[in-house]
Amino acid sequence: DGGITQSPKYLFRKEGQNVTLSCEQNLNHDAMYWYRQDPGQGLRLIYYSQIVNDFQKGDIAEGYSVSREKKESFPLTVTSAQKNPTAFYLCASSIAHDLGTDTQYFGPGTRLTVL
Amino acid sequence: AQSVTQPDIHITVSEGASLELRCNYSYGATPYLFWYVQSPGQGLQLLLKYFSGDTLVQGIKGFEAEFKRSQSSFNLRKPSVHWSDAAEYFCAVGASGTASKLTFGTGTRLQVTL
Repeated sequence: DGGITQSPKYLFRKEGQNVTLSCEQNLNHDAMYWYRQDPGQGLRLIYYSQIVNDFQKGDIAEGYSVSREKKESFPLTVTSAQKNPTAFYLCASSIAHDLGTDTQYFGPGTRLTVL
Repeated sequence: AQSVTQPDIHITVSEGASLELRCNYSYGATPYLFWYVQSPGQGLQLLLKYFSGDTLVQGIKGFEAEFKRSQSSFNLRKPSVHWSDAAEYFCAVGASGTASKLTFGTGTRLQVTL
């Protein structure tokens, strides 16, 4: 079955540590996205990538970094510079014909908790 | 830039009752509109989408939504709610052009009482 996988499902981090969240898709989609979800705030875009080796900052990129070395993979690193990283992180992908109108398909999410 | 508002943070309905979740958008041209559903601790699943044509859109799980340009609304409806519909529902708006991306509302949490 085609889909998007995120790992781990739960992640705990100590303050001052960097952590990397994995996102893999086998939908052959060109575009991939990372969102952060906090209660009552909906989804906020962190980074997105339309093609391999290229990515763009979203609305809340500070304290995060990404890479896109393969079409299938778009890992997100939450750095120690992110002041309030505890949240639910969602990865999505789309065909990238038009980022403003593409249907996005979501992974199951990773819940990050800072101890 | 486009924006979307979901006025209801939390709605409770009885099983078997009808449901309407509100979504209002702001965008000058024709918007692209989506409804997604999220079960607790899960990702988002697409329920339906509107691009053009018939303003009444049918989706999965018995949901439908109606695009009303005059009211800038895209409300989600279901004639008879099932307990398994309890989840959070997100409306999203997009616009054509590579500079645009989907904008999501803050969500409406649906509780279903038996």
